Amino acid sequence: DGGITQSPKYLFRKEGQNVTLSCEQNLNHDAMYWYRQDPGQGLRLIYYSQIVNDFQKGDIAEGYSVSREKKESFPLTVTSAQKNPTAFYLCASSIALNEQFFGPGTRLTVL
Amino acid sequence: QQPVQSPQAVILREGEDAVINCSSSKALYSVHWYRQKHGEAPVFLMILLKGGEQKGHEKISASFNEKKQQSSLYLTASQLSYSGTYFCGTEPDPKAAGNKLTFGGGTRVLVKP
Repeated sequence: DGGITQSPKYLFRKEGQNVTLSCEQNLNHDAMYWYRQDPGQGLRLIYYSQIVNDFQKGDIAEGYSVSREKKESFPLTVTSAQKNPTAFYLCASSIALNEQFFGPGTRLTVL
Repeated sequence: QQPVQSPQAVILREGEDAVINCSSSKALYSVHWYRQKHGEAPVFLMILLKGGEQKGHEKISASFNEKKQQSSLYLTASQLSYSGTYFCGTEPDPKAAGNKLTFGGGTRVLVKP
């Protein structure tokens, strides 16, 4: 079955650590996205990529980094520069101008 | 700029109707609607495109007023499964910004038996 997978489901980070969240899709979609969701809030765009080896900053890119070396994969690194990283992180993919398919999310907590 | 959704929350009895609104200060190319259950990923409901085209999976209807830069989602004869938080995502001219959505703050819907 086609879909998007994210791992891990839960992640705990100590202050000062970098952590990487995985996102993989087998839908053959060109575009992929990372969103952050805080409790009771909407989705805010961190980074997005419309094609392999290219990506753009979203609205809240500071403290995050991404890579897009393969069409299927779009990992997100939360760096130590992100001062308040505790949130629910959602990855999505789409064919341009169509619906976005979301993964199940990763819940990141800073200890 | 983030689109504004209203109301922020609504409580319905099963079988009742409700309308959720989404307003943008920018000219829009499309409006997307998603529903999210607590702790889960958002699920696609509908896309409304400039020019009148609509794409959707469920029996939920919506409208898009391009001149007013507004969209409305209509929950008709609501079912218990309609409970969740509804988000609109707006997209400006794709040639300028690509397939990039800006989401509203959400409308919480609770349908009671």
